[in-house]
Amino acid sequence: KAGVTQTPRYLIKTRGQQVTLSCSPISGHRSVSWYQQTPGQGLQFLFEYFSETQRNKGNFPGRFSGRQFSNSRSEMNVSTLELGDSALYLCASSRGTSGSWDTQYFGPGTRLTVL
Amino acid sequence: TQLLEQSPQFLSIQEGENLTVYCNSSSVFSSLQWYRQEPGEGPVLLVTVVTGGEVKKLKRLTFQFGDARKDSSLHITAAQPGDTGLYLCAGVENSGYALNFGKGTSLLVTP
Repeated sequence: KAGVTQTPRYLIKTRGQQVTLSCSPISGHRSVSWYQQTPGQGLQFLFEYFSETQRNKGNFPGRFSGRQFSNSRSEMNVSTLELGDSALYLCASSRGTSGSWDTQYFGPGTRLTVL
Repeated sequence: TQLLEQSPQFLSIQEGENLTVYCNSSSVFSSLQWYRQEPGEGPVLLVTVVTGGEVKKLKRLTFQFGDARKDSSLHITAAQPGDTGLYLCAGVENSGYALNFGKGTSLLVTP
């Protein structure tokens, strides 16, 4: 069974640009969650999508947005990039149907550097 | 403010030593999870504890959930270089949904 894949693995952007990251979940998983990981703040929850709908949202500005497609693949977009957006962006997939916290399977992440 | 506080932040030990990593909070959690993350990889789930006072063993790793479900510990016996990595605790608050992570404990085990 293939794991969670994220593309691209590395990105370098400049301030003010926008970026789109992609995540393909494990086959059969309908929930995709996105996290930002930085040395200072650790792993922080951005949002979760389930069946193409945003089900939960963390405490991030509106510059961070996402969407999920009918095949459960998800994209995350960050507009007007700031230096502080430099981070490892992780996505995690789960079945999303248990009613309690499913086991999340993480991808390897996309390392975003903003110059 | 970090919901889950992990200590120590860094730990460097020699092969064969024992260690304990702590994860503390003032909040009550419906469950707590421990992950290990290696460089260039995403976190991998090690264990989930759901019952106050629960103890789970995974080979040389022992996980404990506090009676009040506010804290947890991870004990590694006879550490090996392959145990090197970032250990993260994460939990869902009783009233919440999102998975909250601690900042992690970076463990280095040298031969």
